[in-house]
Amino acid sequence: NAGVTQTPKFQVLKTGQSMTLQCAQDMNHNSMYWYRQDPGMGLRLIYYSASEGTTDKGEVPNGYNVSRLNKREFSLRLESAAPSQTSVYFCASSVAVLSYEQYFGPGTRLTVT
Amino acid sequence: AQSVTQLDSQVPVFEEAPVELRCNYSSSVSVYLFWYVQYPNQGLQLLLKYLSGSTLVESINGFEAEFNKSQTSFHLRKPSVHISDTAEYFCAVTRTSGTYKYIFGTGTRLKVLA
Repeated sequence: NAGVTQTPKFQVLKTGQSMTLQCAQDMNHNSMYWYRQDPGMGLRLIYYSASEGTTDKGEVPNGYNVSRLNKREFSLRLESAAPSQTSVYFCASSVAVLSYEQYFGPGTRLTVT
Repeated sequence: AQSVTQLDSQVPVFEEAPVELRCNYSSSVSVYLFWYVQYPNQGLQLLLKYLSGSTLVESINGFEAEFNKSQTSFHLRKPSVHISDTAEYFCAVTRTSGTYKYIFGTGTRLKVLA
């Protein structure tokens, strides 16, 4: 099992460009999440999907959109990147929203210039 | 709403010395508590969790944490650290029921010195 995979690992964007971060899990988990990690701020939830076909906002959803493509895949889209979106993005999954343990991907390091 | 405070952003400690990483939380409802570890350039991994029962929980690599409801704390301890324990440690809470929300602390960077 690969667990949770994320692509790309690194990305540099110019302000105003768009991109999609991809996430896939092979553990048959129902719930998936997107976080951003910034120095001194820990992890903050951007969006989550409790189950296939549903998505909900987390703490910091502005400037992002998500798509739960199927049970395995959950993508995060930046429509018009801004320097404030420079961060490390983590995707995670869990059996269910209330199953407590989350499994994290290796992260995507995004720089917006 | 819940919040998590990790007062120490960095903790240097010599190899084989004991260490305590502090975590305090605030919540008006019952919570579950977690410690996650992040090794350099990796994602987070669950280290240990408190859901119910014994207030002292242990991990397989020698860490333990004690849930103290009166002090709203969940400090992480290890009696003798190893170089390989160098990592960032995150405390997290979630409500035991109702709307899902997983709140992380800001993290404590543990650096074990030879």
